[in-house]
Amino acid sequence: EIVLTQSPGTLSLSPGERVTLSCRASQSVGGNYLAWFQQKPGQAPRLLVDDGSSRATGIPDRFSGSGSGTDFTLTIDRLESEDFAMYYCGQFANSPLTFGQGTRLEIK
Amino acid sequence: QVQLQESGPGLVKPSETLSLTCSVSIDSFKRHYLNWIRQSPGRGLEWIGFIYNSGNTNYNPSLKSRVTISVDTSKNQFSLRLTSVSDADTAVYYCASGPGWTPHHWGQGTLLTVSS
Repeated sequence: EIVLTQSPGTLSLSPGERVTLSCRASQSVGGNYLAWFQQKPGQAPRLLVDDGSSRATGIPDRFSGSGSGTDFTLTIDRLESEDFAMYYCGQFANSPLTFGQGTRLEIK
Repeated sequence: QVQLQESGPGLVKPSETLSLTCSVSIDSFKRHYLNWIRQSPGRGLEWIGFIYNSGNTNYNPSLKSRVTISVDTSKNQFSLRLTSVSDADTAVYYCASGPGWTPHHWGQGTLLTVSS
């Protein structure tokens, strides 16, 4: 089973800032089948980035994903108020499919 | 617009069997991977399994002995059956779908509490 470790656990930032979230895998994620999700309280996760770097439909271009192998990042440029939420990575290369424990992005 | 909606009992007694259903409104229902995923404070997001091509399944080994996912293509629905539930199965259960293994579309989730 691929274990995903996200860091940091919590980030406190201000609107307008740039943030980079990290997701590290215990073994290489084949095909870069690594995705990022945003989740707000009381809502389901929403797909932001698929295949490591492909933005999902309707996702603003201030969200970008990068990385390969075992190290992946999600960058959010120019934070807006609606971006403060939980963020999860997930790998979809190997069964069982697994998710990281999440990074909480909060307003400073 | 892809829409998924879970339905279920909300409360199940320990040792009983949980059954949930997901109604899906997508034209490519038969070609999508149809997942069940749950979320709890203690376990985070946990993939339960998926069904695709109207019958092929893939389950999380940690739950495989207790899980069955099935599909009713005539109703555009798929279902989760989880036997011998315990407190550890209390969670929000999501159905989700995608053209590949990545779940692109998610239902709103349904809270399932295991309690006597």
